[in-house]
Amino acid sequence: DTAVSQTPKYLVTQMGNDKSIKCEQNLGHDTMYWYKQDSKKFLKIMFSYNNKELIINETVPNRFSPKSPDKAHLNLHINSLELGDSAVYFCASSQGWGPRGNEQFFGPGTRLTVL
Amino acid sequence: SQQGEEDPQALSIQEGENATMNCSYKTSINNLQWYRQNSGRGLVHLILIRSNEREKHSGRLRVTLDTSKKSSSLLITASRAADTASYFCAPDQGAQKLVFGQGTRLTINP
Repeated sequence: DTAVSQTPKYLVTQMGNDKSIKCEQNLGHDTMYWYKQDSKKFLKIMFSYNNKELIINETVPNRFSPKSPDKAHLNLHINSLELGDSAVYFCASSQGWGPRGNEQFFGPGTRLTVL
Repeated sequence: SQQGEEDPQALSIQEGENATMNCSYKTSINNLQWYRQNSGRGLVHLILIRSNEREKHSGRLRVTLDTSKKSSSLLITASRAADTASYFCAPDQGAQKLVFGQGTRLTINP
């Protein structure tokens, strides 16, 4: 009954490969996010979706493509993986995205290592 | 950049003592949130304080916000070993675009 789940938890792959990370939330939230946390612990937003529509698209390489098949899922596909993509990727969700602000619920993270 | 910058970067105290962490940001905000991250885990929301609020409490946590100085502080009273974690502030400009800093690594020594 995990609120926000991600798979896989660990992903080790070679440079140049294509990989996907899946995220699912069972909280009934409208908004989902992808964050990247680097080795220095900086956490940066990459994308957010509200009701399956893209609302935040930060400056990330177009090798990263999010896909939201429905409100409960937001997957991240990465093409042509590079060494610099090694990081921990977190999915999160919130009830809406209005100006009053909403608590975000984070998944456990996916540690991606590119060799 | 509108990221929240936490200070200090690391803090080590004895169990039972109070821990204070500070956050500064650069632009006007609608609200500011604090999160905790245990090692190897995702972030957990602690408190959200809106721009028209000055102080907020939740259990042993007390958060203050000074919009004139663009700063916030998180106080944890009567610290416990389980409070050992990294703490992040996240200013929200209003589009749910939280911009996190590097966090404060808090260690509670028994």
